[in-house]
Amino acid sequence: DAKTTQPPSMDCAEGRAANLPCNHSTISGNEYVYWYRQIHSQGPQYIIHGLKNNETNEMASLIITEDRKSSTLILPHATLRDTAVYYCIVLPYNQGGKLIFGQGTELSVKP
Amino acid sequence: DTGVSQDPRHKITKRGQNVTFRCDPISEHNRLYWYRQTLGQGPEFLTYFQNEAQLEKSRLLSDRFSAERPKGSFSTLEIQRTEQGDSAMYLCASSSGNRANQPQHFGDGTRLSIL
Repeated sequence: DAKTTQPPSMDCAEGRAANLPCNHSTISGNEYVYWYRQIHSQGPQYIIHGLKNNETNEMASLIITEDRKSSTLILPHATLRDTAVYYCIVLPYNQGGKLIFGQGTELSVKP
Repeated sequence: DTGVSQDPRHKITKRGQNVTFRCDPISEHNRLYWYRQTLGQGPEFLTYFQNEAQLEKSRLLSDRFSAERPKGSFSTLEIQRTEQGDSAMYLCASSSGNRANQPQHFGDGTRLSIL
């Protein structure tokens, strides 16, 4: 399974964009990039996923580099409720779907 | 869509006792996953079901652990002869469809504390 590397922590000012990087240099062609987040005392929450193209939904945007070795999750207007641990996960297409979580990035959104 | 429901939310028990947790997935989700999370760590995969079939078990799932999904709907996770090291949050997730890359939806977990 491809491993991911994320910074352990980041700060962001409320109302500003939060850009969370993830390195997945060993990703292979049939592996998706997934992002989940976990707010304290809750279960992980799905945010977004992509294969090659950039993706956007109501929560966030996902930018995947052309070589697919890294990606960035963008929260366009961070709020205090976005304070959470964000996990970047590489998921093979056909291996059962089990998620391998790393340490993630602890994002603190400050007023 | 009422979300994934887990019961109980908290369980405190003495070492050596047996415990059972229940997970109710989102209706009609055919895949169901169990994870365990210890303090300060990301969740770790334990096992998953497609319908009633248990298709994969992690090496973390020792002989004291057993999971079932008898009718392809709710699932139970039982731990026998609990040990201190079993203290953790046990998370359940479900997903739909036949493709493994469908997003998983998580419950808020059962927190197990072993005295």
